[in-house]
Amino acid sequence: DADVTQTPRNRITKTGKRIMLECSQTKGHDRMYWYRQDPGLGLRLIYYSFDVKDINKGEISDGYSVSRQAQAKFSLSLESAIPNQTALYFCATSEPHGGAFTGELFFGEGSRLTVL
Amino acid sequence: AQSVTQLGSHVSVSEGALVLLRCNYSSSVPPYLFWYVQYPNQGLQLLLKYTSAATLVKGINGFEAEFKKSETSFHLTKPSAHMSDAAEYFCAVNTNNAGNMLTFGGGTRLMVKP
Repeated sequence: DADVTQTPRNRITKTGKRIMLECSQTKGHDRMYWYRQDPGLGLRLIYYSFDVKDINKGEISDGYSVSRQAQAKFSLSLESAIPNQTALYFCATSEPHGGAFTGELFFGEGSRLTVL
Repeated sequence: AQSVTQLGSHVSVSEGALVLLRCNYSSSVPPYLFWYVQYPNQGLQLLLKYTSAATLVKGINGFEAEFKKSETSFHLTKPSAHMSDAAEYFCAVNTNNAGNMLTFGGGTRLMVKP
């Protein structure tokens, strides 16, 4: 079983609908992230969380919200989906060593979202 | 601010040929640099990283990268391409003042011809 699991893997929805993407991890990491991947743009950070009481905006948080329900669960919501939110979404985790960020992220397999 | 530029969104090589994927970074402070690989229908996985130790870094699957401060580059190479190397490769940068976040380049898709 994957250490970082995302559901759903694929979703097609309509403009204006509310969508939730879920992420759960068994790695025991405190830090969790949501990224969006678009062709030619690489990955861009939407939100990140360093523990259950810590939520931070990334570079493209507008139109998104998150919830850290537990150490192992981090959900991304689109309150009112729009077509330009069509993308591949990745959840990732990381764990610092000695308080320092190591740069190593562990990714889920992605959730492909299409907004019509 | 930090940024990463990957030259060439698509690179095609023949099996057995040299692989060279280019990455240039912009950072006002000493960077940490990373290469990630994404195989089809999978998430990204770490290939190698530079964290201010040796400037030539060896990674998995025979890949290596050299940090060149004077050129602000961190190009990824492999002497002999294998069909299984076909994937998308991402360069990423992190600095101490970036709040423990990675900034990714746009990615380079590597195609390997038989």
